[in-house]
Amino acid sequence: GDSVTQMEGPVTLSEEAFLTINCTYTATGYPSLFWYVQYPGEGLQLLLKATKADDKGSNKGFEATYRKETTSFHLEKGSVQVSDSAVYFCALSHYNQGGKLIFGQGTELSVKP
Amino acid sequence: DAGITQSPRYKITETGRQVTLMCHQTWSHSYMFWYRQDLGHGLRLIYYSAAADITDKGEVPDGYVVSRSKTENFPLTLESATRSQTSVYFCASSETDRGLNTEAFFGQGTRLTVV
Repeated sequence: GDSVTQMEGPVTLSEEAFLTINCTYTATGYPSLFWYVQYPGEGLQLLLKATKADDKGSNKGFEATYRKETTSFHLEKGSVQVSDSAVYFCALSHYNQGGKLIFGQGTELSVKP
Repeated sequence: DAGITQSPRYKITETGRQVTLMCHQTWSHSYMFWYRQDLGHGLRLIYYSAAADITDKGEVPDGYVVSRSKTENFPLTLESATRSQTSVYFCASSETDRGLNTEAFFGQGTRLTVV
């Protein structure tokens, strides 16, 4: 079945450092790919998404490119802030499945001043 | 208030008791979902619903029951709670646009402890 694998955390960075969180997936067909973020004590929020190969999703300085050839959707940010500290989830869903999401295990990011 | 709300936010119950977690959304989204979040597993789908009176099992449905008599409500019931059901439960809703998935909106979660 379909699955999503993320790099293990926690990831600890200093403010203004470069961030990469790796995400790879296994799926049939052409799923849509998502990054969700969960701030402490809150539910998940959509950070960015891409619906087809070579699409780049971006939001709040974060970017991820849908790479069909490597089945990857790595999250990057050029300069992280303390306020980016959260848990990040990579997820996929398929066309016409009503938004059912398959999640990776999550990567906790801690940014120190 | 507009949005998706879950209640209660925190619940402690005893093994063997029945407990119901509530979820209410104000957008009239067709789709609603229940996920559980456990360390090392991310979020796993328990049940989902495509419309009122239409529900289907997800990845981990055993021990849970859902209903959806109204579009806006999607309660999750643990018929006889077990310690393995200690988790954080998230409800979500979404709509599709010509089959493509739009954003899923999540509630703030219910932290359930079974003792």
